[in-house]
Parts: sequence; C-alpha cells; structure tokens
Amino acid sequence: ETGVTQTPRHLVMGMTNKKSLKCEQHLGHNAMYWYKQSAKKPLELMFVYNFKEQTENNSVPSRFSPECPNSSHLFLHLHTLQPEDSALYLCASSPTWDGGYEQYFGPGTRLTVT
Amino acid sequence: GQNIDQPTEMTATEGAIVQINCTYQTSGFNGLFWYQQHAGEAPTFLSYNVLDGLEEKGRFSSFLSRSKGYSYLLLKELQMKDSASYLCAVKDSNYQLIWGAGTKLIIKP
Repeated sequence: ETGVTQTPRHLVMGMTNKKSLKCEQHLGHNAMYWYKQSAKKPLELMFVYNFKEQTENNSVPSRFSPECPNSSHLFLHLHTLQPEDSALYLCASSPTWDGGYEQYFGPGTRLTVT
Repeated sequence: GQNIDQPTEMTATEGAIVQINCTYQTSGFNGLFWYQQHAGEAPTFLSYNVLDGLEEKGRFSSFLSRSKGYSYLLLKELQMKDSASYLCAVKDSNYQLIWGAGTKLIIKP
C-alpha cells in the first residue's frame, strides 16, 4: 500500500461510453498526476495538478478530461475513447511538483476500449 | 527532443550482481530516479541521484555522472523477487519527469 488508491482497477468500455477514473491519496501531498502506460513504452505524463491547479497538459486529446476538486482527489473523465486508448492509467502524488521528491503511485486502472 | 535510453531486457542468475544502465538527453537536469515495477503493479521508488557519485541503499546502489548523461542501478545478491522492470526517469528544467521505457530483469535460479 502506497497511500494512493485508484478505482476501478479494471474497466471495459465501448467507444460511445462515458466513464470516470478516481484517484485518492492519503499522504497529505499537494501534487497529483495522471499517467498512461502502454506495453513496452515509457510512461506518458498526461496531467499535473499542484495545489488543485493544473500545471501541465501534455497535448492530451480532449476526450480525456481531468478534475481535481481538492488536493486529495483526482478524477479522469473519459468519453468517446478510441481502441488505442486501451492502457494502464496510473495516478501518482508527491509533496509538490518541483524539487527532488519521489512520486507515489496507485495500483492503476487497466482500461480496455472495445 | 528529450530521450532516456535503457536496455529492453536483461537476464541474470540468482545470487549474482547485475548493472542496469541508463543514458539521458534532457532539457536541463533536476535529478534522476530509479523505480521498480513488478508485473501488474505500480512503480515503487528505489533511488534518487542529483549529485555525481554513488548512492548505496542495502543491496541496491545507483550511480550518476551528469557530465556523461549516464546512470546505472546496481543490484547485488540477486533474489528471485528482484524479477521486475526497472524504470529510469529524469526531472528536466521544468521539473517534468521524463521516463525511459524500462528494463525487464529476469532472474534465473
């Protein structure tokens, strides 16, 4: 247990569905991240929130919509996804986004788009 | 562009020593991280280097040479549970983590 939880752990959705991924951290951190991990590829940073403010959006398609209501919770809203969006989606947190702090990862949501 | 290179896969024997190399070209440097990721699990932090030299932590050590854009992770007295992927990541001048694709380490008895 790293102090970062993600739900659901597995999700299968059609291309016309709308679903949301949830992340919660119990570490008192102020920065939270969404990553996409595809097989044999580097982790792709999608979004960064620092003190609830979005600081990074790495050219992510608008079918992915993040929401950070407070420093402990992070959501990723999904709609009209494509099969190539199938991947492991990881949430992480750290004390702040800068500095030499390591990131603590949740267990991930395995997403399959059919 | 920014780039992190590490071998795709390595094989080693239980009880032996293995060195996993990582080279990087990034826009600025604010530290290098090593993470371990077992199959189907989240990455977990192993080490952090921001100054040149060797950092030792039990059976694991990590080395950094900033002038060469090079790091390695050294694992001693290998155990079967060390079978995992090892991820190298560098924080660039914007404090964004740039990740390598990971090295899958296979430990044989």
